[in-house]
Amino acid sequence: DTAVSQTPKYLVTQMGNDKSIKCEQNLGHDTMYWYKQDSKKFLKIMFSYNNKELIINETVPNRFSPKSPDKAHLNLHINSLELGDSAVYFCASSPKAGPRPEQYFGPGTRLTVT
Amino acid sequence: QKEVEQDPGPLSVPEGAIVSLNCTYSNSAFQYFMWYRQYSRKGPELLMYTYSSGNKEDGRFTAQVDKSSKYISLFIRDSQPSDSATYLCASGGNNDMRFGAGTRLTVKP
Repeated sequence: DTAVSQTPKYLVTQMGNDKSIKCEQNLGHDTMYWYKQDSKKFLKIMFSYNNKELIINETVPNRFSPKSPDKAHLNLHINSLELGDSAVYFCASSPKAGPRPEQYFGPGTRLTVT
Repeated sequence: QKEVEQDPGPLSVPEGAIVSLNCTYSNSAFQYFMWYRQYSRKGPELLMYTYSSGNKEDGRFTAQVDKSSKYISLFIRDSQPSDSATYLCASGGNNDMRFGAGTRLTVKP
């Protein structure tokens, strides 16, 4: 029984395409996050949602749009993909209104833009 | 200047050694401090977190925070090959959270 799951695990696409990554948590947590980890392993928060409400929106291009249909799901849609978007994207959740130190991460989605 | 600075290593030690991993942070508003471990091609997993200065121990792991000098440390006693991973320090507060670049640790049998 996976706590935080992401689909797909790997995503290879061409520049200019639009893609989505899905995230689901079955922990009953209130807060969910999206992170980007670049090739140098630097992990950077992108968005944080608390019970479907956006609470953190870091300076990311507006081509990235998170969507939270309910508090167990936080999807990430990316328009007009660029080479620089290639990275590993992690979803995470935490039990209380975030951001909080206790976070549970998904396995990651490795996005490659060619 | 990054808000959380961490030496990326790599760091290689023999099995049984004591490992010291260190970070500094610049934002005085940060209230909590964490260490995550990340195995290759996996998501980070939380090792420890604390809100206060001082030491916090969990088995072979000890987290140390000095708010006056803005210094975060993780000590691993009796290191094992299974501890080989990238260790990420992080700090946050007031709707902000920052991670260090991660230190890659290898423990050799």
